[in-house]
Amino acid sequence: NAGVTQTPKFRILKIGQSMTLQCAQDMNHNYMYWYRQDPGMGLKLIYYSVGAGITDKGEVPNGYNVSRSTTEDFPLRLELAAPSQTSVYFCASSRDRGYNEQFFGPGTRLTVL
Amino acid sequence: DQQVKQNSPSLSVQEGRISILNCDYTNSMFDYFLWYKKYPAEGPTFLISISSIKDKNEDGRFTVFLNKSAKHLSLHIVPSQPGDSAVYFCAALNYGGSQGNLIFGKGTKLSVKP
Repeated sequence: NAGVTQTPKFRILKIGQSMTLQCAQDMNHNYMYWYRQDPGMGLKLIYYSVGAGITDKGEVPNGYNVSRSTTEDFPLRLELAAPSQTSVYFCASSRDRGYNEQFFGPGTRLTVL
Repeated sequence: DQQVKQNSPSLSVQEGRISILNCDYTNSMFDYFLWYKKYPAEGPTFLISISSIKDKNEDGRFTVFLNKSAKHLSLHIVPSQPGDSAVYFCAALNYGGSQGNLIFGKGTKLSVKP
């Protein structure tokens, strides 16, 4: 099993550009999450999904959109990139919500200039 | 307002000695706590967890202690090894609130010196 995979690993965007961060998992997990980690800070939840077709906002959703058309994939869309979105983005998945371990991808380092 | 606090950004320990990483929380509704370990350029990986109905959970060299009255938990690593050098995140969960989502601390960078 590859676990949770994320692409790209690195990306530099100009202000106002858009991009999609890809995330896929092969563990047949129902729950998927997007986090961002700013330097010296903990992970903050952007969006999460409890299954295909169902998504909800986390703590810091502004400036992002998500979709979940399949169990495996959970892309994160940045529209009109801003310098404040410079961060490392982690995708995670879990079998169930809450008490179950979340499995994380390796992260995407995004810089907006 | 930070609900989960890791007040020590870094900790340095000699190989073979005990490492103690601390975590404080403010929300008394948290009922489950987890520790994640993160190496550079990798995603966090789950290490150990504890339910609020327990005060201790042990897994090999790793033990987590929970003091609910003090709203404090700690992770003990004995003996510490150089491969334990990483950033450790404390996370908390209120299953009935926050949609069951984890709240993370800022992390503590542990360096274990040979």
